[in-house]
Amino acid sequence: AQSVAQPEDQVNVAEGNPLTVKCTYSVSGNPYLFWYVQYPNRGLQFLLKYITGDNLVKGSYGFEAEFNKSQTSFHLKKPSALVSDSALYFCAVRDRHGGATNKLIFGTGTLLAVQP
Amino acid sequence: SQTIHQWPATLVQPVGSPLSLECTVEGTSNPNLYWYRQAAGRGLQLLFYSVGIGQISSEVPQNLSASRPQDRQFILSSKKLLLSDSGFYLCAWSVEGAGFEYFGPGTRLTVT
Repeated sequence: AQSVAQPEDQVNVAEGNPLTVKCTYSVSGNPYLFWYVQYPNRGLQFLLKYITGDNLVKGSYGFEAEFNKSQTSFHLKKPSALVSDSALYFCAVRDRHGGATNKLIFGTGTLLAVQP
Repeated sequence: SQTIHQWPATLVQPVGSPLSLECTVEGTSNPNLYWYRQAAGRGLQLLFYSVGIGQISSEVPQNLSASRPQDRQFILSSKKLLLSDSGFYLCAWSVEGAGFEYFGPGTRLTVT
């Protein structure tokens, strides 16, 4: 069965420091991988995706993520955190075969708190 | 450009009352449409998805139902709300090949 794990409920980081939000996945075959961000009482915003090609994917707001097939991980990173990055972050995976009936599987979310 | 609307933004309803949440998408044709519920501000649960008009797939048994009367309209309904129906309801859409979904702004439902 497909699954996504975000092992940290919360990540605390000081403004200006690098941040990492961890994600590991389990899916048969080659996955599509995604990161979303959610601000309080808002819908999810798409940050970035890995489809194929370069393992380092760059996305919105200076975020990037590295696809590591051997470790089945897709950690979200940013070189220098901002207070405004504080939000709930979701990792998601989808098997690249199956169309709409192949569901997007979400992790449980990681709350990122950036202290000034 | 594509836009997704949800209304109402917030809703407070008594137990046993009916529910109707609406989602519409602009700027695309024949999208795949989804309803999610987010409880306790965290995990996302897929409730329904639709690949076309009148085609609804349910992911979990519950007292909710969904309908797609038009290509870009997706409605979430209930005949009698339960306390456990409280949560943040998110509509999303995607197109074949994109792989990911665009989310609406959500509806905060509180059942009292």
